[in-house]
Amino acid sequence: QKEVEQDPGPLSVPEGAIVSLNCTYSNSAFQYFMWYRQYSRKGPELLMYTYSSGNKEDGRFTAQVDKSSKYISLFIRDSQPSDSATYLCAMQGAQKLVFGQGTRLTINP
Amino acid sequence: DTGVSQNPRHKITKRGQNVTFRCDPISEHNRLYWYRQTLGQGPEFLTYFQNEAQLEKSRLLSDRFSAERPKGSFSTLEIQRTEQGDSAMYLCASSLKQGAYNEQFFGPGTRLTVL
Repeated sequence: QKEVEQDPGPLSVPEGAIVSLNCTYSNSAFQYFMWYRQYSRKGPELLMYTYSSGNKEDGRFTAQVDKSSKYISLFIRDSQPSDSATYLCAMQGAQKLVFGQGTRLTINP
Repeated sequence: DTGVSQNPRHKITKRGQNVTFRCDPISEHNRLYWYRQTLGQGPEFLTYFQNEAQLEKSRLLSDRFSAERPKGSFSTLEIQRTEQGDSAMYLCASSLKQGAYNEQFFGPGTRLTVL
């Protein structure tokens, strides 16, 4: 079993929809939880990070962490075609990042 | 451009050949990481350096892989006797150690194809 599980999708939604992306994890030692966005043939770029349990909002993006359930989420409101990318959850274990498989998201105009 | 740079961007080689990739981190970042990403998967940690010291290596890093960061600035990743299973995107990231959380900034990657 992988340390971090993420549904690979693909996920396709119409423009303007609310998107929900999720990951589960098994290592209770993880303290920092991140969402990265990766466009095709590019490196990942950090969208948001959250420390421990709670919510964090940045514009149209909201990240949620529930450590008791070992479950994290990313919500995208008013989704735009430019949001089409692969979204990777990641968790910091010591110094390295442990990534989920990535969810491929397409926003249709 | 002050981001992480990687060269070459693409490398095609024949099985059994040696290849070397280079990563130039963001200036003054003291930590440098290597990850490998195969198609449809998330990046997997390979190794990381703090300054010139290699502090951790993954079990994924077989004896055919070696990484260096001789002066604490750029880093090289060498794969000897390449195999088809080595085909992947090799990502480099850098960070500045300041506290418990240190954002890792990723480069564009080097895509390796082993024929």
